[in-house]
Amino acid sequence: AQKITQTQPGMFVQEKEAVTLDCTYDTSDPSYGLFWYKQPSSGEMIFLIYQGSYDQQNATEGRYSLNFQKARKSANLVISASQLGDSAMYFCAMRDLTSYDKVIFGPGTSLSVIP
Amino acid sequence: NAGVTQTPKFRILKIGQSMTLQCTQDMNHNYMYWYRQDPGMGLKLIYYSVGAGITDKGEVPNGYNVSRSTTEDFPLRLELAAPSQTSVYFCASSYNSPSRKLFFGSGTQLSVL
Repeated sequence: AQKITQTQPGMFVQEKEAVTLDCTYDTSDPSYGLFWYKQPSSGEMIFLIYQGSYDQQNATEGRYSLNFQKARKSANLVISASQLGDSAMYFCAMRDLTSYDKVIFGPGTSLSVIP
Repeated sequence: NAGVTQTPKFRILKIGQSMTLQCTQDMNHNYMYWYRQDPGMGLKLIYYSVGAGITDKGEVPNGYNVSRSTTEDFPLRLELAAPSQTSVYFCASSYNSPSRKLFFGSGTQLSVL
């Protein structure tokens, strides 16, 4: 069965510093995708970044990068140069690409950026 | 484009009542999903669909039903509402793009009292 684990319920980071949010996953499927979404206090879900299991390079999108370590089954999100607007909940998610594209989410990490 | 539209935005139900949460998308996406999010928690998959006429159970399907008669619509039916179904419900859709990202609706806040 698929499972997403995010072991950091809450994180603090100083403004302009980098921060890493941890995500580990479990799946027996050979083909899958990993996402990160941001949910600010307003509640909307904002797509940040995607990594396919067969992608050779780690994904990057602006200040966001995904540190993908397939053998360790980890997909950590790195946010560089944190901004006050980065304060939000962050969710790691996994998409099964071999069986009906089921998508499950982890429990989330609350990030607070300190001025 | 409106994207993913959910109605209603808020609803209060009495225990034992039934209702349908509506979700429609105008992006011709084949994949659609229903999630629930309890306060301070992550999203739990209720049901999902890979296309019209095809649905499957997610992680927490009990107490819910879905149908997918068209590509655009994916309604979620709550039968015999219970306080445990108090939650925020999100509908999402996606297509087979390289990014595979999900487009989310704005959510429905449901309280069962």
